[in-house]
Amino acid sequence: SQTIHQWPATLVQPVGSPLSLECTVEGTSNPNLYWYRQAAGRGLQLLFYSVGIGQISSEVPQNLSASRPQDRQFILSSKKLLLSDSGFYLCAWSVGVSGRYEQYFGPGTRLTVT
Amino acid sequence: AQSVTQLGSHVSVSEGALVLLRCNYSSSVPPYLFWYVQYPNQGLQLLLKYTSAATLVKGINGFEAEFKKSETSFHLTKPSAHMSDAAEYFCAVGDSSNTGKLIFGQGTTLQVKP
Repeated sequence: SQTIHQWPATLVQPVGSPLSLECTVEGTSNPNLYWYRQAAGRGLQLLFYSVGIGQISSEVPQNLSASRPQDRQFILSSKKLLLSDSGFYLCAWSVGVSGRYEQYFGPGTRLTVT
Repeated sequence: AQSVTQLGSHVSVSEGALVLLRCNYSSSVPPYLFWYVQYPNQGLQLLLKYTSAATLVKGINGFEAEFKKSETSFHLTKPSAHMSDAAEYFCAVGDSSNTGKLIFGQGTTLQVKP
C-alpha cells in the first residue's frame, strides 16, 4: 500500500531563517506531487505541483520554492522566512494528471514563524 | 475555469440529526467531484468521489453525496450525526488541465452538539 510522510511535524522558526520541509511517498512510482498551505481560518492554497523529477510548477508568487530531487521526494524551501509563511503545510500525491484522480494527503507540518 | 462554492462556513447540528453540507460547482466539462474531511491538525482524508459512474455516491463513515447536474450541486449528507463527525469538510473538483490539480472550496466546519 502507499504511504506519504512529512517531516518535521511541527517547526518554530524565527523570521529570516531558512526553511526545508520534506515529503516522501512510498509504494508508488512517478506520482504527481503537491504542496498546499492552510493559513489559520482559511482554506487550502496550492503552492506547487510536480508531474515528474525536476518539473515544478508554481501557483502563486512568494518567497518559497520547491524541488523534486527524486521520484518520490518533494521538498519545500525558503531562504528567508516571513511572518506570513506561518501555517499548516500539506503534501499530497496522485496517480495521474487527469482530474478524475483523488489526491492523498500527508499528516502535515505546522510551521510557526516568530 | 472550474470552481467550487461551499455554502456555509460553519454548520451546527445535534447528535443524531441529519447532516447536510452544501457544495455547488462550476465546470465547462463533465466534472469529477470529491469530498474530503480534515480533523484538527491532520491531513485531509477522502470521504468519497464522483466520477460519473453513479449519481449517488456512498463513502466512508456513513456519508453519501448526490450529483445533480441540473443544480450543479454535490451536497454531502449523513442521516445521523455522531460526535466524531465534528471536523472540517472540503468539496473539490478535478481540474481539466491535465495537471492532476484539485480545486477546493473554502471548507465547512461541522459542529456536533450533544
